[in-house]
This record gives sequence, C-alpha cells and structure tokens, in this order.
Amino acid sequence: DAKTTQPPSMDCAEGRAANLPCNHSTISGNEYVYWYRQIHSQGPQYIIHGLKNNETNEMASLIITEDRKSSTLILPHATLRDTAVYYCIVRPFGDTGFQKLVFGTGTRLLVSP
Amino acid sequence: DGGITQSPKYLFRKEGQNVTLSCEQNLNHDAMYWYRQDPGQGLRLIYYSQIVNDFQKGDIAEGYSVSREKKESFPLTVTSAQKNPTAFYLCASNPGQVRGTEAFFGQGTRLTVV
Repeated sequence: DAKTTQPPSMDCAEGRAANLPCNHSTISGNEYVYWYRQIHSQGPQYIIHGLKNNETNEMASLIITEDRKSSTLILPHATLRDTAVYYCIVRPFGDTGFQKLVFGTGTRLLVSP
Repeated sequence: DGGITQSPKYLFRKEGQNVTLSCEQNLNHDAMYWYRQDPGQGLRLIYYSQIVNDFQKGDIAEGYSVSREKKESFPLTVTSAQKNPTAFYLCASNPGQVRGTEAFFGQGTRLTVV
C-alpha cells in the first residue's frame, strides 16, 4: 500500500505557482520523499527528492515540514506542459539497500491558459 | 545516450497467447522493475530484480513471468493465465545500492489483447 496521501486533482493558471501537497505521516527516519510526474501515456519522470531539508532544482522546489509528516512540491511558474499526474513517494531504505518504489494514484494537475 | 528502452510501444495480441515485452537499460543499474498501469490508476508493481539471476514477485505477479539473465535486460512475459492483460506496462531501473538516487522509467508498452 502507498504510504502517502495526495489530493486527486488540482488546477493552476499558467504562469502562477502550483503547490502540490503530500501527506506522509508514517514516514520513518531513513526514508526519503520523492516526486515524479507522468505526462499522459509516457513513463514517469523524476522531479526532485529530499530527506529533511528543503530542496530546489531547475524543475521545482520541495518543502518538507520539520516533523517530516508532509511536504509540498512547488512549480514556481507553471506552464501548459506541466499538466500531468504528480506522484509523491516515500522510498524505503532497508538493510539490503534495496529500494522498492510504491506509487499511489497521485495528483492530476491541470494547468490552464 | 544512457537510458531505458521499452519495445514495442504498442502491442496487440489475441487472447490466450503469451507475449513478451522487452526492457533494456544501458545505465549500469543493478535494480530493475516492471509496473502495470490501468486507466486512471497508479502504478502497481509486478516483479522486481535487485541483481542478475535474481528476481522477486511484486504485488500483482500472478499471470506474469520474468527473467534476468543479463544486467541490461529484464523482459516480462504476459502469459495466458493473466486474466486482464490489457494495460500500460512500464519498466524502470535504479542503481539499487546507493542512497537517495532516483529511478528511470522507459516510455512504456501499451498492450491490447483482443
């Protein structure tokens, strides 16, 4: 079962910031938060990940709360091409080093003109 | 360029036939995964492999089989025992042993059984 909860859908106006929330209240201390997105009929694309500090890259920013029970993915200036399903994933890191990705149903973001 | 390649992009098969989906990666990744996605749904794990000649069942392995004879290749066979094989199939890989690294996905194979 997925260990994250996301709203099923969100809307955003083109050029505005898109803030996508994710709840992961059962996250453990050695688990990372990952974000992927999937544009229709394509494979998921990695966006960003973090452990406890806020992270930023050329695609997005990731804000993780101090208690690590939730996070927000921020697309600072959304474009029409950002319309996709966004997945928030908690990634376990076991003793063997094996990482099993568990995807939920994600948030469908619709960016409109 | 390094990446993960799935072929074919679209596949049609008659009911009762086995079909094999190809997944190849040149990223030197140890771990590879197969997922299934149905319309409007998230990804569900079919099989995964941490290393050559080893693989494990995921959440929905019934009716599927895999092999991992080479590090670069992780083919998935959809057998006639799979009751609802029509779906979008995604292959992924990641280094497998390094903390904090992302997974790379192929572009998927859309299988339609008629």
